[in-house]
Amino acid sequence: DGGITQSPKYLFRKEGQNVTLSCEQNLNHDAMYWYRQDPGQGLRLIYYSQIVNDFQKGDIAEGYSVSREKKESFPLTVTSAQKNPTAFYLCASNLKENTEAFFGQGTRLTVV
Amino acid sequence: DQQVKQNSPSLSVQEGRISILNCDYTNSMFDYFLWYKKYPAEGPTFLISISSIKDKNEDGRFTVFLNKSAKHLSLHIVPSQPGDSAVYFCAARASSGSARQLTFGSGTQLTVLP
Repeated sequence: DGGITQSPKYLFRKEGQNVTLSCEQNLNHDAMYWYRQDPGQGLRLIYYSQIVNDFQKGDIAEGYSVSREKKESFPLTVTSAQKNPTAFYLCASNLKENTEAFFGQGTRLTVV
Repeated sequence: DQQVKQNSPSLSVQEGRISILNCDYTNSMFDYFLWYKKYPAEGPTFLISISSIKDKNEDGRFTVFLNKSAKHLSLHIVPSQPGDSAVYFCAARASSGSARQLTFGSGTQLTVLP
């Protein structure tokens, strides 16, 4: 089955710790994205990557880092510099920039 | 400054009636618009889209209307079913320039009452 997989579904971390969220896709999509959803707000773009070994900052990149060493994988690290890390994180991918995006099931990160 | 706005955070509709969800945008470079549906604790799923060269696109019970002069689009669901209860996000992007990535609205929670 082709799809986009995020793990884990729920994640708890202590304040001050870095944490990495996994995103894997087997759709052979070129582009991958990370969004954050907060209550009452839309999906805000954190980082995106159009091609392996290249990525761009989105609207709210501060406190986050990414890598794109493989086409299938686009992990997101939430660093201790992120002021409000508790949120629902969504990974997405699409074949090319101008096609519909497919989303993973999301990771709910709670920092205590 | 929000470039895509969904001004109604929630909407309740009786089963069998029409649901109309609205979306406004400000960036005149946007030329492709999408609607996504999202259940709690799940990722959004693509529902329907429309290009700016059209003013209407229909897919089964779902129809999206685009009014470019008003920078407004709407999603009509007819007839509404309880399974349609979800958060609906409007999204937009431009085919060139700096707005090529999807920009999402804040979502509208649709509740279809049996």
